[in-house]
Amino acid sequence: DTGVSQDPRHKITKRGQNVTFRCDPISEHNRLYWYRQTLGQGPEFLTYFQNEAQLEKSRLLSDRFSAERPKGSFSTLEIQRTEQGDSAMYLCASSLDRGRNEQFFGPGTRLTVL
Amino acid sequence: AQSVTQPDIHITVSEGASLELRCNYSYGATPYLFWYVQSPGQGLQLLLKYFSGDTLVQGIKGFEAEFKRSQSSFNLRKPSVHWSDAAEYFCAVERGGSYIPTFGRGTSLIVHP
Repeated sequence: DTGVSQDPRHKITKRGQNVTFRCDPISEHNRLYWYRQTLGQGPEFLTYFQNEAQLEKSRLLSDRFSAERPKGSFSTLEIQRTEQGDSAMYLCASSLDRGRNEQFFGPGTRLTVL
Repeated sequence: AQSVTQPDIHITVSEGASLELRCNYSYGATPYLFWYVQSPGQGLQLLLKYFSGDTLVQGIKGFEAEFKRSQSSFNLRKPSVHWSDAAEYFCAVERGGSYIPTFGRGTSLIVHP
């Protein structure tokens, strides 16, 4: 399968714990995006990378959230001291850095904070 | 800032009937517009996009959409719905060159046999 993959698909954690999600983009794609989707809403942009550089971050990305893409390939999204309001689907997408290219989305990681 | 309104939370149609999903956007200049579909357990898939040119855009799976600047709309249509079209549909608008879409809240399509 050469699509965008995300791991884990589901994560249940207790409030206050740290969690980390991984995204593996399509191999030749140098743009990588993170979104958050809550029930009944569309995806909301969190941040994006071009290669290893984090170029833009949403105001939604509080200090407890950090994203990395150390070698310009896979990316991680870490949430520290999770809160119940962090419960959501976290989506990753990737695209080519060439003109107006389509973003390809992964299946998402569903986070439940108890 | 740009925004998207999808006024219908749920739409129910019979298989074989025609479909129109509404999308209105707010953006000062000519936007880039998209429709995505999300099936349970699947990632979002791009159905079609509009950047410029012909205002009637053809997409995958038999879908089309029409950009109407005067109405700030980009409605999605399909002449004959199949049961497999049941899914969540999202309209999105992108400020030109930003590469960051703003999504609507989605419309859930239910298809009756």
